[in-house]
Amino acid sequence: AQTVTQSQPEMSVQEAETVTLSCTYDTSESDYYLFWYKQPPSRQMILVIRQEAYKQQNATENRFSVNFQKAAKSFSLKISDSQLGDAAMYFCAYRTGGTSYGKLTFGQGTILTVHP
Amino acid sequence: EAGVTQFPSHSVIEKGQTVTLRCDPISGHDNLYWYRRVMGKEIKFLLHFVKESKQDESGMPNNRFLAERTGGTYSTLKVQPAELEDSGVYFCASSPTPRGEETQYFGPGTRLLVL
Repeated sequence: AQTVTQSQPEMSVQEAETVTLSCTYDTSESDYYLFWYKQPPSRQMILVIRQEAYKQQNATENRFSVNFQKAAKSFSLKISDSQLGDAAMYFCAYRTGGTSYGKLTFGQGTILTVHP
Repeated sequence: EAGVTQFPSHSVIEKGQTVTLRCDPISGHDNLYWYRRVMGKEIKFLLHFVKESKQDESGMPNNRFLAERTGGTYSTLKVQPAELEDSGVYFCASSPTPRGEETQYFGPGTRLLVL
C-alpha cells in the first residue's frame, strides 16, 4: 500500500518570503501522480499543483513549484513571495496512474501561517 | 458552474443515533468519492462511485456506514448507529473521469461530532 508522510505539522513564513513544505511517499508503482492541495480556513480544498511521476521536469504554477525527487520519493512544495492568502492547511497526496484507481492517499497535512 | 456541495455543514448527534450526510457533485461528474478526516489524522478514502455503482468501497470502516448514489447524481452517506470514533470531517469529491491525472474537486466537508 502507498503511504504519504508530511513531517511538518506546522510551518510559518513572513509575507513576501519563501517557504518549503516537505512530503515523502512510499510506493512500488511506476505510474502515479502527486498532488498538493490547499484548504484555507473554513473553505474547501483546492488543487495547488500536480506532478506526473514520468516527467522529470518539476511542475510550476505561478508562485508554487515542486521539487520532485523520484529516487528519494520526495515531493516538496515551494511557495515563493508568500502572501497572506496562502495561509491554509496543505495536504500532499498520491494517486495511482491509469483508470483503475481513483482514490487519493493523503499525508497528515501542514498548517502554514503567513505573518504580515 | 456550481462546485461540490455538502449538507449539512455541521452535525452534532448522540452516540447511537443515525446521521445522513449528503453530497451533490459537480454536474456531469460521474465519479464521486467520500473521504473523512478524524481529528488530528490524515484524510482517508472511504469509497468511490462511478455513476450509481460502487467502484471501490475498500475504505469503509464497517457495516455501520452505508453509501448510496441513486440515479448517479447526489450521494448520501448514512452512519447508523453512530459511535464516538465516527467524529470527524467527511469530505466529498467529484471528477469527470477516474484517471490518475484528473483533478478531484472537493466539497467543504461536513463536520460530524458524536457525543
